[in-house]
Amino acid sequence: SAVISQKPSRDICQRGTSLTIQCQVDSQVTMMFWYRQQPGQSLTLIATANQGSEATYESGFVIDKFPISRPNLTFSTLTVSNMSPEDSSIYLCSVFGTGIGANVLTFGAGSRLTVL
Amino acid sequence: DQQVKQNSPSLSVQEGRISILNCDYTNSMFDYFLWYKKYPAEGPTFLISISSIKDKNEDGRFTVFLNKSAKHLSLHIVPSQPGDSAVYFCAASPNNAGNMLTFGGGTRLMVKP
Repeated sequence: SAVISQKPSRDICQRGTSLTIQCQVDSQVTMMFWYRQQPGQSLTLIATANQGSEATYESGFVIDKFPISRPNLTFSTLTVSNMSPEDSSIYLCSVFGTGIGANVLTFGAGSRLTVL
Repeated sequence: DQQVKQNSPSLSVQEGRISILNCDYTNSMFDYFLWYKKYPAEGPTFLISISSIKDKNEDGRFTVFLNKSAKHLSLHIVPSQPGDSAVYFCAASPNNAGNMLTFGGGTRLMVKP
């Protein structure tokens, strides 16, 4: 299946600042997905990033807070803007697998953000 | 409104015994179910899935059972090994493509040697 690299793996951020998370995939993929896992909570889909078009956001998530770029078929970024402590979460990039795992999501290791 | 629930936040099992992780869902549109395993500092990894046309799917030590009438599925691990200690997430989708996943809250499994 696809290999996904995320940067940074973790960061500690100050309230009011913004941070951009990068996601690199080792193969070309049509759709990339950004998830959030708040402490002790489940994984929640933030948005779907398609190359060449605007990202599609899930209910409760807006572009101003979580702008997403998708410049090509192997790369995407998620920015967490104007952060508050409630944004402290693990942010995960995911894509569909390939081969026998073609219909399941493969996740990156995640980016753990702590907002002070 | 939690559409996928894992009511046990943690489970402790002795090595060699069976681990049973449970998951309940409320949305009758879900027809594809998956289990993911997550180790600390790693992303979730796919473990096993089942389509709503089946009631059982087996892969080695892992078996998933689906009871559509009860809207309940379970993951059985036999025999449990210390390396199975992780957080297990149940997920459901209204299609067979594996996207639009709704995840449960996770169950932390601890397998004691």
